[in-house]
Amino acid sequence: GAGVSQSPSNKVTEKGKDVELRCDPISGHTALYWYRQSLGQGLEFLIYFQGNSAPDKSGLPSDRFSAERTGGSVSTLTIQRTQQEDSAVYLCASSLAAGQLNSPLHFGNGTRLTVT
Amino acid sequence: GNSVTQMEGPVTLSEEAFLTINCTYTATGYPSLFWYVQYPGEGLQLLLKATKADDKGSNKGFEATYRKETTSFHLEKGSVQVSDSAVYFCALSDPGNYQLIWGAGTKLIIKP
Repeated sequence: GAGVSQSPSNKVTEKGKDVELRCDPISGHTALYWYRQSLGQGLEFLIYFQGNSAPDKSGLPSDRFSAERTGGSVSTLTIQRTQQEDSAVYLCASSLAAGQLNSPLHFGNGTRLTVT
Repeated sequence: GNSVTQMEGPVTLSEEAFLTINCTYTATGYPSLFWYVQYPGEGLQLLLKATKADDKGSNKGFEATYRKETTSFHLEKGSVQVSDSAVYFCALSDPGNYQLIWGAGTKLIIKP
């Protein structure tokens, strides 16, 4: 596709429900990242994929958060038993390869999650 | 550890004004430095980058010079336009590292 696609663009859910966020990266991009952006804050790293494997999950804030990537393409971020503090914009980015020098990140427009 | 500090926003300017958004960093080694921009309703996109000391990155009339002596990478533009209104993020990475360390972002508002 032309760019990184994320869905849904907006999600409102009740506290305690599970949500699944989807990211469709640019075709051929092997590296995929999930970030969280809270109001007035910078980007908080969540997880990094190289192909289908996730060598760095260190940013996941709790065991309620998980992510997978299949076929080296689409990724889903799942948040179980959502809490109000999970409300944020969840950003996905992809790049041709790891290492930022010649492989800039391409971002999707994000999913705005609101937990009521 | 590595960190990036940006000036707090919002920064409000009139059209054709001179822009500076300050960015300083703390890093071991010799990081690469980046400015990303997020226009309203769009995803973040790379604006410019610099990979070694004294390099100047430039794009769309914006410039930033990698100053190792002051550990800074300030973003400048000589004459801003309303269309430059966006959130600007400064970031760094160690060469070959997959991780970017991000500043908090600076919202820029340009009034006609």
